[in-house]
Amino acid sequence: ETGVTQSPTHLIKTRGQQVTLRCSSQSGHNTVSWYQQALGQGPQFIFQYYREEENGRGNFPPRFSGLQFPNYSSELNVNALELDDSALYLCASSQPWTGEETQYFGPGTRLLVL
Amino acid sequence: AQKVTQAQTEISVVEKEDVTLDCVYETRDTTYYLFWYKQPPSGELVFLIRRNSFDEQNEISGRYSWNFQKSTSSFNFTITASQVVDSAVYFCALSEAQTGGFKTIFGAGTRLFVKA
Repeated sequence: ETGVTQSPTHLIKTRGQQVTLRCSSQSGHNTVSWYQQALGQGPQFIFQYYREEENGRGNFPPRFSGLQFPNYSSELNVNALELDDSALYLCASSQPWTGEETQYFGPGTRLLVL
Repeated sequence: AQKVTQAQTEISVVEKEDVTLDCVYETRDTTYYLFWYKQPPSGELVFLIRRNSFDEQNEISGRYSWNFQKSTSSFNFTITASQVVDSAVYFCALSEAQTGGFKTIFGAGTRLFVKA
């Protein structure tokens, strides 16, 4: 196990609702990245948080937002849910610039939007 | 621009066969990292190997080995004497430096079936 935890494991929402997903990083890691993985595809980079600041973003609209807390845990918030937001959401923690650039992933949150 | 291509969508082998998963990448950076991850049906991405752009030495780790060639922008991964438990989706990934950290791009994945 990597030490990266995510909650909840599964979630069902309806279109238009808002959702918050949570991630606790591996001990000693100050960077958290979030990915969306649709069925049958590779993970797509949403954004990364480094020391509580957003530090790079993929091609996702502003209704995808996040936070990182002083203990380096993180939240992913998605507003105005759409059917296409149904996916596995993965978070990964790392400690860049220290030789520990490997991202270690949590088990993911499966989101279903109806 | 970053790009990772895994041309093999599915591979099926019989247990104990060797299998090589192909990965071709595109990047303009001189400093980058390449990874292979395994995703079993449970969904969690499991880190397998990492190689940085300055180290083209190919290694073997147990039943895993890799062939990194900058000249052809390829980072192929081989499982020797495959086992049923190796059945999973395998992702190749490229990380490039950006301000404050790294941005990682994944390939579409190769689904490996190992039959007993």
